[in-house]
Amino acid sequence: DIVMTQSPDSLAVSLGERATINCKSSQSVLYSSNNKNYLAWYQQKPGQPPKLLIYGTSTRESGVPDRFSGSGSGTDFTLTISSLQAEDVAVYYCQQYVSDHTFGGGTKVEIK
Amino acid sequence: QVQLVQSGTEVKKPGASVKISCKASGYPFTNYALHWVRQAPGQSPEWMGWINTGNGNTKYSEKFQGRVTIIRDTFATTANMELSSLRSEDTAVYYCARGHSDWYLDYWGQGTLVTVSS
Repeated sequence: DIVMTQSPDSLAVSLGERATINCKSSQSVLYSSNNKNYLAWYQQKPGQPPKLLIYGTSTRESGVPDRFSGSGSGTDFTLTISSLQAEDVAVYYCQQYVSDHTFGGGTKVEIK
Repeated sequence: QVQLVQSGTEVKKPGASVKISCKASGYPFTNYALHWVRQAPGQSPEWMGWINTGNGNTKYSEKFQGRVTIIRDTFATTANMELSSLRSEDTAVYYCARGHSDWYLDYWGQGTLVTVSS
């Protein structure tokens, strides 16, 4: 199984400041048939299901604000919130979907 | 609009089975896979398996192999997940989620809380 490791476990950022979340996979998540990294990011607020933010490492799902961006390749990936808003307080998960599906341990983002 | 509506809260005793339904609407049912993911209290999501809604083929996580069964009803546009031999560690919120053709999970049901307690 591919293990996904996120850091940090939690993060407190001032409103309007940048938040950066890291995700490392235990092996490559590259799908060789199309040369895409099968890495997604989800946002989860209390009592709600996860919401897809980004797929294919860096493609924003429709309707997701452009302050959310994803980057990375190989086994190292990053989710960046460029200017944190109050509504961004949530837990964020990375997920690989190249070999079944596994999720990272989550990063809780709070307001400082 | 795409909707996945799940059945309601369940309370079960250890050793029992639970069946959860997921009613899909707003898109061609057989064009997209349906996955099942669970989330124990305070934990990250855990993938359980998926069904090809077109041909009914399934794949299950090794962790749940032998205890989980996923079936679909194309006329009712519903997928059902049954988990047997329940134990307290199975207490969790269970979600169905639609699998995009590129395999990521783009829409999720509202979740079904299953509590296993004697």
